[in-house]
Amino acid sequence: GQNIDQPTEMTATEGAIVQINCTYQTSGFNGLFWYQQHAGEAPTFLSYNVLDGLEEKGRFSSFLSRSKGYSYLLLKELQMKDSASYLCAAPGYQKVTFGIGTKLQVIP
Amino acid sequence: EAQVTQNPRYLITVTGKKLTVTCSQNMNHEYMSWYRQDPGLGLRQIYYSMNVEVTDKGDVPEGYKVSRKEKRNFPLILESPSPNQTSLYFCASSFGSGLANYGYTFGSGTRLTVV
Repeated sequence: GQNIDQPTEMTATEGAIVQINCTYQTSGFNGLFWYQQHAGEAPTFLSYNVLDGLEEKGRFSSFLSRSKGYSYLLLKELQMKDSASYLCAAPGYQKVTFGIGTKLQVIP
Repeated sequence: EAQVTQNPRYLITVTGKKLTVTCSQNMNHEYMSWYRQDPGLGLRQIYYSMNVEVTDKGDVPEGYKVSRKEKRNFPLILESPSPNQTSLYFCASSFGSGLANYGYTFGSGTRLTVV
C-alpha cells in the first residue's frame, strides 16, 4: 500500500523561502507528484520527480530521494498568492495516493 | 482547451434522493477517477476506471456507483445520498494509469450538501 506524511500547516513570510517536506512508503515506485490547491478549488499540477535530485521550475523546486523515501517542495520569493495547500502524491499499482496536504499561510 | 468538465459545481439535496454528478474529459485519457475531499482527511479515492467498461473500487466506495460506457464520460451516482456524503468531490483523468500515471487533470469540483 501507500502511506504519505506531510505537515498539516506552515506559516512563512512574504519574500522568504519555505520548504515543505513529504515522506512516503510505497509498494512499487514511479515518481512523486506535487500539486497546489487553493481553498475550494481543484488541485493543479506543480511537479513530478522520478529520479533523485532537485528539479527547478521558476520559483518552485522539488527534490526527491528514493532511498530515503523523502521529497520536498521549495518555494522561493514567497508571494501572498502562494497561500494554498500543497499536496504530495504517489502513483501506485492502480491509483494515486495523496497526502493530507500542507496548508501554507504566507503573511506580510 | 484540454479540460475535465464536472457538473454541477454546487448541489444541495435531501437524504435519499438519487443524484448524478457528471464528468467529461476531452483529452482521450484512458484513466479516470473520482475523489472526495474532507477537512483533515485529504483526497480519498472513491472509484476509478482504467478504460471503457473497466471500473473498480477505490478506498471509500460505499454508497457510490460509477459507469464508463464511453471513454470521455465517467459519472458518479449516489443512489440514496446520506448526510455523511456531504463533501467536495473531484473528478480527475490522466494519460497513464497506476504506476504509469503522469499527472492528473482535475475537474473544478462539486460541493455536495446532503440534508
